[in-house]
Amino acid sequence: QVQLVESGGGVVQPGRSLRLSCAASGFTFSSYAMHWVRQAPGKGLEWVTVVSYDGSKKSYIDSVRGRFTISRDDSKDTLYLQMDSLRAEDTAVYYCVREGYGYYGSGTYFYFDYWGQGTLVTVSS
Amino acid sequence: DIQMTQSPSSLSASVGDRVTITCRASQSINRYLNWYQQKPGTAPKLLISAASSLQSGVPSRFSGSGSGTDFTLTISSLQPEDFATYYCQQSYSTLLLTFGGGTKVEIK
Repeated sequence: QVQLVESGGGVVQPGRSLRLSCAASGFTFSSYAMHWVRQAPGKGLEWVTVVSYDGSKKSYIDSVRGRFTISRDDSKDTLYLQMDSLRAEDTAVYYCVREGYGYYGSGTYFYFDYWGQGTLVTVSS
Repeated sequence: DIQMTQSPSSLSASVGDRVTITCRASQSINRYLNWYQQKPGTAPKLLISAASSLQSGVPSRFSGSGSGTDFTLTISSLQPEDFATYYCQQSYSTLLLTFGGGTKVEIK
């Protein structure tokens, strides 16, 4: 069965760095685009970043662009999120998410079909 | 960026009620709209993709409709396990995805 297991969260001071990892299993990791989605305490879901299945395309939400870097190691079936220059507003549970897809009518549709359990990042002095 | 606006932000309903949640996109997204359910302390779960395609294992009391900018999630007869927060998400812009603000469904 598909499993996504995040690690690396914790408490960090503003301006410092943290690297999250997501170990994938139960599917061909190298065939899927992968995302990070975060959720601040008591708030809604916020998409953060994506890396394409082959690593050639990456995209970020404006608030983290230039500070966060998504990467993948297909030899280890692992997704990463390097977070630098952390701010208090980055405090959230970070979810690793697989991008699934389906064919309906004449189109290909994308969705988040598997989520990890999340890892909490707290940025505080 | 495509903005997604959900309404209401919360609602109170009783078991057996019919519940409707709406989601509006700031521009046409065809049918590139997904719905998720999230219970406290757990990761979201995909309910519906492509506006109306029910995921395997999701009860048939859930349904989705709409295209373009206006979408609806309907629960035909609310069950105790349906009390949760629901989110819409557009996948039209695959490199800049956005969620709605969420609708919390509470027990009346």
